[in-house]
Amino acid sequence: DTEVTQTPKHLVMGMTNKKSLKCEQHMGHRAMYWYKQKAKKPPELMFVYSYEKLSINESVPSRFSPECPNSSLLNLHLHALQPEDSALYLCASSQGLGTSGAKNIQYFGAGTRLSVL
Amino acid sequence: SQQGEEDPQALSIQEGENATMNCSYKTSINNLQWYRQNSGRGLVHLILIRSNEREKHSGRLRVTLDTSKKSSSLLITASRAADTASYFCATDLVGAGNNRKLIWGLGTSLAVNP
Repeated sequence: DTEVTQTPKHLVMGMTNKKSLKCEQHMGHRAMYWYKQKAKKPPELMFVYSYEKLSINESVPSRFSPECPNSSLLNLHLHALQPEDSALYLCASSQGLGTSGAKNIQYFGAGTRLSVL
Repeated sequence: SQQGEEDPQALSIQEGENATMNCSYKTSINNLQWYRQNSGRGLVHLILIRSNEREKHSGRLRVTLDTSKKSSSLLITASRAADTASYFCATDLVGAGNNRKLIWGLGTSLAVNP
């Protein structure tokens, strides 16, 4: 099973709402990632979790709050977002953060299309 | 900041033709990967080439790596309409330690016309 599952597929929220994006993988991967992607742009790294600990925070605004409840799950809590936060949010996982090439291969979910009104 | 640059930014070819896209990067790398993204979907890993490799094949894909020029190319032979997608290179930086991450190129948008 090489699948990363993201829910919901689409989300529309107002600027005062609180919502959460969910990501799940059952590949035994120990690194999980959140990316934001705008149209026709490469993915922008937001957060990296390694062994359920936050390893990288790319100076993301505090209105985005990640959570890794266990090795299979990754959440992204959203609060008081701005219209410019509308984007495709992608979750990915990899075996780990080691130097071996195969460990760096990332497996992506289909993404959540977020619209902030 | 993104260190990878890809060219061309957009490429339109006829089915059956070959498609070549290039990626350049700025610093030493452990390996370089290519990913495909269909419109509005997640990225799919295509191929990984290590810094000590010069060429790698996978089906209709051929990847080359020239570390002296800090560049890589992805060749798709006998293209099909289903190859229509965006293609991104991603590099894994040397010396990143436990905070390693992929650095993504800007991508090439490929359209294969039937």
